[in-house]
Amino acid sequence: QKEVEQNSGPLSVPEGAIASLNCTYSDRVSQSFFWYRQYSGKSPELIMSIYSNGDKEDGRFTAQLNKASQYVSLLIRDSQPSDSATYLCAGGNQGGKLIFGQGTELSVKP
Amino acid sequence: GAGVSQSPRYKVTKRGQDVALRCDPISGHVSLYWYRQALGQGPEFLTYFNYEAQQDKSGLPNDRFSAERPEGSISTLTIQRTEQRDSAMYRCASSPGQGDGYTFGSGTRLTVV
Repeated sequence: QKEVEQNSGPLSVPEGAIASLNCTYSDRVSQSFFWYRQYSGKSPELIMSIYSNGDKEDGRFTAQLNKASQYVSLLIRDSQPSDSATYLCAGGNQGGKLIFGQGTELSVKP
Repeated sequence: GAGVSQSPRYKVTKRGQDVALRCDPISGHVSLYWYRQALGQGPEFLTYFNYEAQQDKSGLPNDRFSAERPEGSISTLTIQRTEQRDSAMYRCASSPGQGDGYTFGSGTRLTVV
C-alpha cells in the first residue's frame, strides 16, 4: 500500500456544488495532515492542515480526519471555476517529512 | 525573504555535467525540504534539514545526488554526472519547524539533454 493514496480523477462538479476530495494513508503516516492546491504550472499552495480527529472548517473549505479509518477528506462548498486545480493530500510521518499523494484533479464547470 | 526563492528557474544541461540548484528559504524557517515532482504526480521526497543538519536523505535516488545547508539558511542540491532520467521539476520548501505545513518555492525545471 502506498503511504498516501488519492484518486487521480479528474473529478468534475458543477459550479455551486460541493466537491469532495478523499485520501487514505498507511500506518507509516500518522502525525499531521495537509491539503495543498496546485494550479497547472504552479507550485503547491497550503490550504488546510488538520492534526486531530474530526472536522476543521476554514471559509468554504472543511477538512475531515478519521484516524481509525486512516482517511482524510477535503470538502469545498459552493465550488467556483477558480477552484479548478489539482489537490494534493500530504501526511507527516514521525521522521518529520511530508509524504504526498499523487493528487486529484478537480474541474468546476460554470 | 518574503517567500522561498529557487534558482535557476530553468536549467538545461548536457548529460554528464554537474548541476547545482539553489534554495533560499523564508527567513527564520528552521526546516528546509527538497522534493522532485514529475508531471501529473505529487512531490516525491528527497531530503530535508533542520538548521544545518541533514535529518533524512533517504529519498536521494543515488550517490550522484547530494545536498547541503552549511549555515542553516541557503541550501544547494547538487547532481553530479547528470543523466536524462534526472530531468524533472525540483522543488524546495521550508517550514517554521518540523511538522508544520510547508511553503514551496517556484521550483527549478531541470532538463538533461
